[in-house]
Amino acid sequence: EVQLVESGGGLAQPGGSLRLSCAASGFTFSDCNMNWVRQAPGKGLEWLSYISGSGDVISYADSVKGRVTISRDNAKNSLFLQMNGLRAEDTAVYYCARGKDSSWFFGWGRGTLVTVSS
Amino acid sequence: QAVVTQEPSLTVSPGGTVTLTCGSSTGAVTSGHYPYWFQQKPGQAPRTLIYDTDHKHSWTPARFSGSLLGGKGVLTLSAAQPEDEADYYCLLSYGGVVVFGGGTKLTVL
Repeated sequence: EVQLVESGGGLAQPGGSLRLSCAASGFTFSDCNMNWVRQAPGKGLEWLSYISGSGDVISYADSVKGRVTISRDNAKNSLFLQMNGLRAEDTAVYYCARGKDSSWFFGWGRGTLVTVSS
Repeated sequence: QAVVTQEPSLTVSPGGTVTLTCGSSTGAVTSGHYPYWFQQKPGQAPRTLIYDTDHKHSWTPARFSGSLLGGKGVLTLSAAQPEDEADYYCLLSYGGVVVFGGGTKLTVL
């Protein structure tokens, strides 16, 4: 069964850091481009970052560039998002999504909630 | 960064047809923006319905179709069903970065 399971969310202090993970199973992870997308409570979807299957192509949304780092470990079938300098507006559900063929968003995880508050 | 625009809300009658649009602040939406359409129901993760303008995934109901019209990306829902009530998001590609629209809340009533 194909699965994407996000983890690492929780309560974080303003200015703090979190590292989100996305565990992939049921498909050849290294063949898939991956994305992080977030959704603030009651708001729309916001794309954050993309990484190619090999990890050599990376892009970020302007809104998070310089504060987040996407990475992957193909040996461990895992995707990561390191978030620094957290702000209240980073409070959101964070989703990982995998690409397949020419679709960047073939499948989605269920998300992990990040709350930034003192 | 470009801004992607969608209707905030639309209503369709059961069995009716509705068109959702996706515009770009940079000009006309073309196939080079690789328009995507997503459906999201309350408490659920998004689901991708359409990619690359008009390509469907295996799970995409046949009543959904994607196209370009009048300089915008378009999602057409024909013969709407009660279970189609949801938020719909479009996404456009701008050369390596992608941007979501603000979403359309579709009511089937």
